[in-house]
Amino acid sequence: DTEVTQTPKHLVMGMTNKKSLKCEQHMGHRAMYWYKQKAKKPPELMFVYSYEKLSINESVPSRFSPECPNSSLLNLHLHALQPEDSALYLCASSLRGLAGAGVHNEQFFGPGTRLTVL
Amino acid sequence: KNEVEQSPQNLTAQEGEFITINCSYSVGISALHWLQQHPGGGIVSLFMLSSGKKKHGRLIATINIQEKHSSLHITASHPRDSAVYICAVKLRDKLIFGTGTRLQVFP
Repeated sequence: DTEVTQTPKHLVMGMTNKKSLKCEQHMGHRAMYWYKQKAKKPPELMFVYSYEKLSINESVPSRFSPECPNSSLLNLHLHALQPEDSALYLCASSLRGLAGAGVHNEQFFGPGTRLTVL
Repeated sequence: KNEVEQSPQNLTAQEGEFITINCSYSVGISALHWLQQHPGGGIVSLFMLSSGKKKHGRLIATINIQEKHSSLHITASHPRDSAVYICAVKLRDKLIFGTGTRLQVFP
């Protein structure tokens, strides 16, 4: 299995809803990433988990809550989002955790979840 | 000024043409990615390189670390190559992305 999967593909939610995005990989990768991408813009890093511990939080609002239950799974819990949070949410993974990762720590991206907040 | 600059921003080509997309960066990096994103879709990693040249099918990527410059070449372009091509540099723990080059190949 050489891919990163994300569910759901599309999600529409109201501002009072609670929902979760899921990301899974079975490549034995030890770092997992959440990115947010607005239309016609490059991805912006949100969170990085390294060896199942949160290593980087790019000052993301608390209405986004990441969780890494095990080395294969990464969730992003959403609560009280705003319409401006509508975007494509991309998950990625890389073989090594961040510490001592070295040069050849290529990131593999999932297909993304397109989120619309009404 | 962005740390990663790509040119051109938009590119149209006829099927069969040779295409070059350029990426320049201003920071010291450990590696550089070339990524492909189809409209509305996820991102596919094409290459990660830290020196020299890599080839995969019709795609060739080169990097010159001293000049802080990389190029992505597509030989015998095809309409299915139409996508956004993104250069991203690896700086410590993070990827810094360029703004992308939107390529359209017409039959």
